[in-house]
Amino acid sequence: AQSVTQLGSHVSVSEGALVLLRCNYSSSVPPYLFWYVQYPNQGLQLLLKYTSAATLVKGINGFEAEFKKSETSFHLTKPSAHMSDAAEYFCAVSDSSRGFKTIFGAGTRLFVKA
Amino acid sequence: EAEVAQSPRYKITEKSQAVAFWCDPISGHATLYWYRQILGQGPELLVQFQDESVVDDSQLPKDRFSAERLKGVDSTLKIQPAELGDSAMYLCASSLGLGGTDTQYFGPGTRLTVL
Repeated sequence: AQSVTQLGSHVSVSEGALVLLRCNYSSSVPPYLFWYVQYPNQGLQLLLKYTSAATLVKGINGFEAEFKKSETSFHLTKPSAHMSDAAEYFCAVSDSSRGFKTIFGAGTRLFVKA
Repeated sequence: EAEVAQSPRYKITEKSQAVAFWCDPISGHATLYWYRQILGQGPELLVQFQDESVVDDSQLPKDRFSAERLKGVDSTLKIQPAELGDSAMYLCASSLGLGGTDTQYFGPGTRLTVL
């Protein structure tokens, strides 16, 4: 079985501070991992994805994530938060054991304080 | 830039009524997905099409929900009759292929409120 756990339904940071959004997954086979962002009343947009190549993945808007197999984690980071980063962030996993069905976490809402 | 189109953006209906949502994927994308997103949760797959064929509808409540993609292009999701618990955002997405690494492109969603 595969699942995704996002630690913290809400995260608040100051503008310019480090952003760290946590994601842990469970998968019985090598996973594919994704981070999506959702702005209010909009659909999801892909930030980045891990597809078994480099473990450090760089995405759009300055975000990056590192795949750590030993910790079953895929945490999302950004060195310096911007007001425009305020949104909901979803971690997702898919793998061959479930026919590559994408399973999303519950999401983490990021607040950025001026 | 090509986008996934959905309509309507908002729908308010009374329970026991029928509702329908429409999705037009990015041109050339073979795979189309319908997700339901309940407030405060991540999207949950309802149905997945590869061209006009259903690949996965294991989470679709088939007693009241139906989906079709007759010509393998646009798609319609129907609920009949609607129940209070169906209030949610319904998201459509498309991808070029069927594989797990394919990027899914999402439409803006239809927010359904059942009174």
